[in-house]
Amino acid sequence: SQTIHQWPATLVQPVGSPLSLECTVEGTSNPNLYWYRQAAGRGLQLLFYSVGIGQISSEVPQNLSASRPQDRQFILSSKKLLLSDSGFYLCAWALVGGEAFFGQGTRLTVV
Amino acid sequence: AQKITQTQPGMFVQEKEAVTLDCTYDTSDPSYGLFWYKQPSSGEMIFLIYQGSYDQQNATEGRYSLNFQKARKSANLVISASQLGDSAMYFCAMREGMDSSYKLIFGSGTRLLVRP
Repeated sequence: SQTIHQWPATLVQPVGSPLSLECTVEGTSNPNLYWYRQAAGRGLQLLFYSVGIGQISSEVPQNLSASRPQDRQFILSSKKLLLSDSGFYLCAWALVGGEAFFGQGTRLTVV
Repeated sequence: AQKITQTQPGMFVQEKEAVTLDCTYDTSDPSYGLFWYKQPSSGEMIFLIYQGSYDQQNATEGRYSLNFQKARKSANLVISASQLGDSAMYFCAMREGMDSSYKLIFGSGTRLLVRP
């Protein structure tokens, strides 16, 4: 069966520090991968999606970047965090024509 | 431009009654898919139901059904016989295109509270 791992679950980082959130998928090949951010009580904002290794599409220009070094690995990064980067970050995967499956999320607080 | 619209920020329903959560969408692509997800307070995203643009019948999954009105571009979620555990955020989502390159975008959500 397919599983998605996302870590860490919670993170508190100072302003200006770097960020690396990792997401890995097991049990499937060549999935589409997604990073979303959710502000408290709000909807999901699509940040990045990837249809293959090294292929990243950015939806919202901001202080973040994404990489897909392996088929089932998706990394969200920042060189210098801003207060506005705080939020709940969700990784998801989907196959063509199928629903998306989400990780447990990372609650990031930038202080 | 907003492509998925959920106009009800919050809804109340009495336990055991049915409730409809609204969702409208905008796309010029003839091939698309519509999804509903539930997000409890724990934060996890739970897939509920899917409707493809070419599906002739409305999708149903247990107590969930999707009222798909293609001409009106609406895909409302109907929850029958509400339970206390249905209290959560509900998100409508749309995937455009059927090839390997597609985005999955979400509406702003509706918070449902089931009253005992």
